[in-house]
Amino acid sequence: GENVEQHPSTLSVQEGDSAVIKCTYSDSASNYFPWYKQELGKRPQLIIDIRSNVGEKKDQRIAVTLNKTAKHFSLHITETQPEDSAVYFCAASIKGSNYKLTFGKGTLLTVNP
Amino acid sequence: GAVVSQHPSRVICKSGTSVKIECRSLDFQATTMFWYRQFPKQSLMLMATSNEGSKATYEQGVEKDKFLINHASLTLSTLTVTSAHPEDSSFYICSARDSHSGANVLTFGAGSRLTVL
Repeated sequence: GENVEQHPSTLSVQEGDSAVIKCTYSDSASNYFPWYKQELGKRPQLIIDIRSNVGEKKDQRIAVTLNKTAKHFSLHITETQPEDSAVYFCAASIKGSNYKLTFGKGTLLTVNP
Repeated sequence: GAVVSQHPSRVICKSGTSVKIECRSLDFQATTMFWYRQFPKQSLMLMATSNEGSKATYEQGVEKDKFLINHASLTLSTLTVTSAHPEDSSFYICSARDSHSGANVLTFGAGSRLTVL
């Protein structure tokens, strides 16, 4: 089955700096890569996603890049704010798997004021 | 946008009893829902895929007789933890996909924190 590795497990940045979280996946058949933000005790919220036919996608301060050849994708957050502090999960879904997501282990991002 | 309601949000039960958790898609139909378990400071572990009108598909290592899943309608899936024990204490989260949407996007419920005494 699919295996998703996520790094780093924790990340601390100063407000205004950029944050980058990286994930790799094992199954080349994966074609959908969402990123979720989960605040303590709350539900995961989709913040951005990318499909395998696209190399980069941006939404205001958030961007995701995908390298299909290397089988890795990254989340980039610019101009970080304290409210960006949360756990971020990457995930991958294989076409034809009934949309089942395999999650990375998560990254605890702390943005220090 | 798509909304998934999950109840109860918190439940405390005695060891040996059964607990039912409901997951409802409020404004869309979902032929497929997913149930996850999340331990503190850990990732979401997929337990099973709930399929409307048919048996659930369980992930390796998940006891189907322990975690009963029923998906009787296009808007409701239930997870029943049978004969609960303290080690079953965890955060259980469901997610659902809009059947009429061509997208893979999943919407999550708010989760249910189960504490077994």
